[in-house]
Amino acid sequence: DAKTTQPPSMDCAEGRAANLPCNHSTISGNEYVYWYRQIHSQGPQYIIHGLKNNETNEMASLIITEDRKSSTLILPHATLRDTAVYYCIVSIIQGAQKLVFGQGTRLTINP
Amino acid sequence: DAGVTQSPTHLIKTRGQQVTLRCSPKSGHDTVSWYQQALGQGPQFIFQYYEEEERQRGNFPDRFSGHQFPNYSSELNVNALLLGDSALYLCASSLEGFTEAFFGQGTRLTVV
Repeated sequence: DAKTTQPPSMDCAEGRAANLPCNHSTISGNEYVYWYRQIHSQGPQYIIHGLKNNETNEMASLIITEDRKSSTLILPHATLRDTAVYYCIVSIIQGAQKLVFGQGTRLTINP
Repeated sequence: DAGVTQSPTHLIKTRGQQVTLRCSPKSGHDTVSWYQQALGQGPQFIFQYYEEEERQRGNFPDRFSGHQFPNYSSELNVNALLLGDSALYLCASSLEGFTEAFFGQGTRLTVV
C-alpha cells in the first residue's frame, strides 16, 4: 500500500502557482519524498525529490515540513502542459528501490 | 540518448496465451524495474532486475517472470494470460546509487 495521501483532484489557473499537498505521516528516517507526474498516455516523469530540506530545480520546488510528515510540490507558473496526474512517493534512495504509487492527484490547469 | 524504449507499443492476446514484452534501458543504466498500470490506477511494482538477477518482487503471481541480459535490457513474460492482465506495462531504468527512475512509454496489453 502507498504510504502517502493526496487529494484526488485539483484545479489551477494558467500562470498561477500550483501547490500540491501530500501527507506521509509514517515516513521512515531513511526514506525520501519523491514526486513524479504522468501526462496522459505517457510513462511517469521524475520531477524532484528531497529528504528534509526544501529543494528546487528547473521544474518545481519541494517544501517538506520540519517533522517530515507532509510536503508540498510547487509548480511556480503553471502552464497547460502541466496538466497531469502527480504522484507523491516515499522511498529509500538507493539499492532495491521500488516506487509505490498511490492514486495521485489529477491536476488540471485551466486557461 | 533514446531514453527507455519498450516494444511493442500495443499488443492484443487471447486468454491463456503467453506474452513477452521488451525493454531497453537508458544508456548506462544497470537497473530495470517493471510496473503494471490498470486503467485509472497508479502503476504497481512487479519486480526489479539488477546484475541479471531479480532483486525485489511485488505482489504478483509466478505467471509473471522476467529476465535481464548482459547488456542490461530486460524482458517481462506473462504466462496463461487472464482478462485482468490487460493493462499498460511500464519499464523503468535507473543507475545503482542514483535516485531517479526513467520510464518508457509503456506497452498496452489487451487480453480478449
